[in-house]
Amino acid sequence: GENVEQHPSTLSVQEGDSAVIKCTYSDSASNYFPWYKQELGKGPQLIIDIRSNVGEKKDQRIAVTLNKTAKHFSLHITETQPEDSAVYFCAATYRDDKIIFGKGTRLHILP
Amino acid sequence: DAGVIQSPRHEVTEMGQEVTLRCKPISGHNSLFWYRQTMMRGLELLIYFNNNVPIDDSGMPEDRFSAKMPNASFSTLKIQPSEPRDSAVYFCASSLLGNSNQPQHFGDGTRLSIL
Repeated sequence: GENVEQHPSTLSVQEGDSAVIKCTYSDSASNYFPWYKQELGKGPQLIIDIRSNVGEKKDQRIAVTLNKTAKHFSLHITETQPEDSAVYFCAATYRDDKIIFGKGTRLHILP
Repeated sequence: DAGVIQSPRHEVTEMGQEVTLRCKPISGHNSLFWYRQTMMRGLELLIYFNNNVPIDDSGMPEDRFSAKMPNASFSTLKIQPSEPRDSAVYFCASSLLGNSNQPQHFGDGTRLSIL
């Protein structure tokens, strides 16, 4: 079945530095890749997504890249701020409306 | 603009009791998903509905779990009888149905503790 691997599980970066989270997926038919941010006591919130006909997408300090050949996609956060501290999940579609989530990355922004 | 609304936010009950979790999806969305989140297993899809019809319930762990969607604005997830290993955070999410793979919008979850 479909599998999404996410690395690292924990990431600590100095405030102002960049953070990168990487994911791989197994189903070559996957064509939609959302990223979610989850804060304590809240549900996952969509922060950015990318579709398979695009290689890169940027929204202010957040960017995602997709390599369909290698089945890799990554989240890049630049100029990190304390409010970026949270758990981040990558996901990939499986069949029409089902998405499979990675296990999450706990991001700590150090002062 | 109201998001996905789940109730209750917290539930503590003794094993063997029936538990009912409730979800109101975003108005106009016609796909609804129930997830369970634990430290060990992460976010797991339990079941999802399209236009109120259950499409895939392969993630439902046991017959003790059941889900219904009687109309487009309401869904329930029921556990009967509950067991301590059912303790987790349960999320409901909704999205627009379509071939373009629309984003899912999550509620804030129900934290369930079975004693």
